[in-house]
Amino acid sequence: EADIYQTPRYLVIGTGKKITLECSQTMGHDKMYWYQQDPGMELHLIHYSYGVNSTEKGDLSSESTVSRIRTEHFPLTLESARPSHTSQYLCASSGRGEAFFGQGTRLTVV
Amino acid sequence: AQKITQTQPGMFVQEKEAVTLDCTYDTSDPSYGLFWYKQPSSGEMIFLIYQGSYDQQNATEGRYSLNFQKARKSANLVISASQLGDSAMYFCAMRSLESQGNLIFGKGTKLSVKP
Repeated sequence: EADIYQTPRYLVIGTGKKITLECSQTMGHDKMYWYQQDPGMELHLIHYSYGVNSTEKGDLSSESTVSRIRTEHFPLTLESARPSHTSQYLCASSGRGEAFFGQGTRLTVV
Repeated sequence: AQKITQTQPGMFVQEKEAVTLDCTYDTSDPSYGLFWYKQPSSGEMIFLIYQGSYDQQNATEGRYSLNFQKARKSANLVISASQLGDSAMYFCAMRSLESQGNLIFGKGTKLSVKP
């Protein structure tokens, strides 16, 4: 079983609030990712990291930011949430094989 | 540019029958990996099966097998003896140097298993 955790699982928040979505993995993987997914739709890569102090933007432009201060931790932050940020956010990590995903955070901005 | 195409938005299959989910891909890299993931309604992504571009044999994992046709650039997932719990979204994905080692996904196929 994969050891990658996301919190919170569900979040409803008001417009303009700052939020941080947490993601932690205990597998020692260097590569980590954030994907954004609308219900029933494809996954879009918004951020990834090759390791500590490495952050890169993905294929889909996002107003969110990420940091990678520790190998196991890859939080995503939205400075000012808007209704257009309503979506599911999936964190993943990988070694040399498949990527392991967290359970996701379903964010609703009202 | 890399691309994954899944042309079946939705599929129905009778319980205990086999079903094939289609996936075609496009890449200029000679070395790449192909993956299938299952996403139940709860939202998590579950890894099912992997095929490397240099693998000579089709990958199999329990009831899942991958029909890999390199010349046609297709990597179809075959699920044998479908179960009600197989009802979910299924995503095909690819990773290569062209994608900086990142997984890129197709749009997915929603599979519904009928009792």
